[in-house]
Amino acid sequence: DARVTQTPRHKVTEMGQEVTMRCQPILGHNTVFWYRQTMMQGLELLAYFRNRAPLDDSGMPKDRFSAEMPDATLATLKIQPSEPRDSAVYFCASGSWGEQFFGPGTRLTVL
Amino acid sequence: RKEVEQDPGPFNVPEGATVAFNCTYSNSASQSFFWYRQDCRKEPKLLMSVYSSGNEDGRFTAQLNRASQYISLLIRDSKLSDSATYLCVVNMLSNGGADGLTFGKGTHLIIQP
Repeated sequence: DARVTQTPRHKVTEMGQEVTMRCQPILGHNTVFWYRQTMMQGLELLAYFRNRAPLDDSGMPKDRFSAEMPDATLATLKIQPSEPRDSAVYFCASGSWGEQFFGPGTRLTVL
Repeated sequence: RKEVEQDPGPFNVPEGATVAFNCTYSNSASQSFFWYRQDCRKEPKLLMSVYSSGNEDGRFTAQLNRASQYISLLIRDSKLSDSATYLCVVNMLSNGGADGLTFGKGTHLIIQP
């Protein structure tokens, strides 16, 4: 049963610290997405890749967020430095042919 | 105007009742449509695609009205396990790819015993 995996599942950190979230997409999916979800804003698209190339990162604060896909089995999202307003659930999703499959998310709390 | 709008609810519905909710989208060029379901503290999962002719999957029926730019979801004989947030999703692209999906903020449904 193929699924998207994400680590860590939970992260509590202090303001100013670096946070790295990892995602393993479903093998064979050529599109990978990073989302952030909060109660106020709902699901927001941060960035996505097709065939490992970044296509759109307009949803991401460029000064502190970075997304990479070093190989087909790993996508990373980094926040440096983190701020309390970054507290949210971060989902990775991979997709093919119109459907996106979401990972379980990383619940980030920045104190 | 938001690209995809939904009534956030919550909709409180007794078990066994029928419930329906709509979603409107702003881009008339939108190509494909979906309903996703998200349980509390879980990830969104595809519930069903929405086809132009309407489609049914068990107790769930989805309809598309392109002229008025809305899609609907009808749940018959609701079960306690239907309690969740239902996300309306619209794809603006015609290439059939997974990018271009725009998610609504969701409608919260609570089925009461």
